[in-house]
Amino acid sequence: GQQLNQSPQSMFIQEGEDVSMNCTSSSIFNTWLWYKQDPGEGPVLLIALYKAGELTSNGRLTAQFGTTRKDSFLNISASIPSDVGIYFCAGQKGKLIFGQGTELSVKP
Amino acid sequence: DGGITQSPKYLFRKEGQNVTLSCEQNLNHDAMYWYRQDPGQGLRLIYYSQIVNDFQKGDIAEGYSVSREKKESFPLTVTSAQKNPTAFYLCASSIDLGGVYGYTFGSGTRLTVV
Repeated sequence: GQQLNQSPQSMFIQEGEDVSMNCTSSSIFNTWLWYKQDPGEGPVLLIALYKAGELTSNGRLTAQFGTTRKDSFLNISASIPSDVGIYFCAGQKGKLIFGQGTELSVKP
Repeated sequence: DGGITQSPKYLFRKEGQNVTLSCEQNLNHDAMYWYRQDPGQGLRLIYYSQIVNDFQKGDIAEGYSVSREKKESFPLTVTSAQKNPTAFYLCASSIDLGGVYGYTFGSGTRLTVV
């Protein structure tokens, strides 16, 4: 099935550093979503983007819907240990299509 | 509070046995989904249902079966035909198939074949 290309696959960073991850696709999407999954739990929605070019923040998180509608990025500023987890992008055209995930590790 | 409940959290199955994973939602959502998650592979769609008594295969439906007899419930059966069933299974729901507000996920069931 169709998938999004999410990168990087994993990141190991120091507490306080900023983080950036992105998703790209050959298809146009109507909506981009970013989820976070804590170990052993289901993903939880962080940010939803509905318009090309839209830039949305949620606390230390900022996400953008690419102008071509084929990509999106998520930034986390001043990372803290509880940011640890797997971050998924998802593009919507009918059902959601998920990226492979970015596993984030934060060293105190 | 509304949400999705998956049970059990952990499940052990002997090889050759069928097992059913439960998913219940009280969000009044029409659409429900089952995903399988393996390390480093993201979320792969097994089955989805738009309305009661109707469901469609996703990308990896072989060895799985579902039913949707009630709006609130979408159980997944992992059959003995599934060759590699050990995985983390996630159920999700959305207002409708378009789900413009995204999916709500359950907390998952980890299935281990012993």
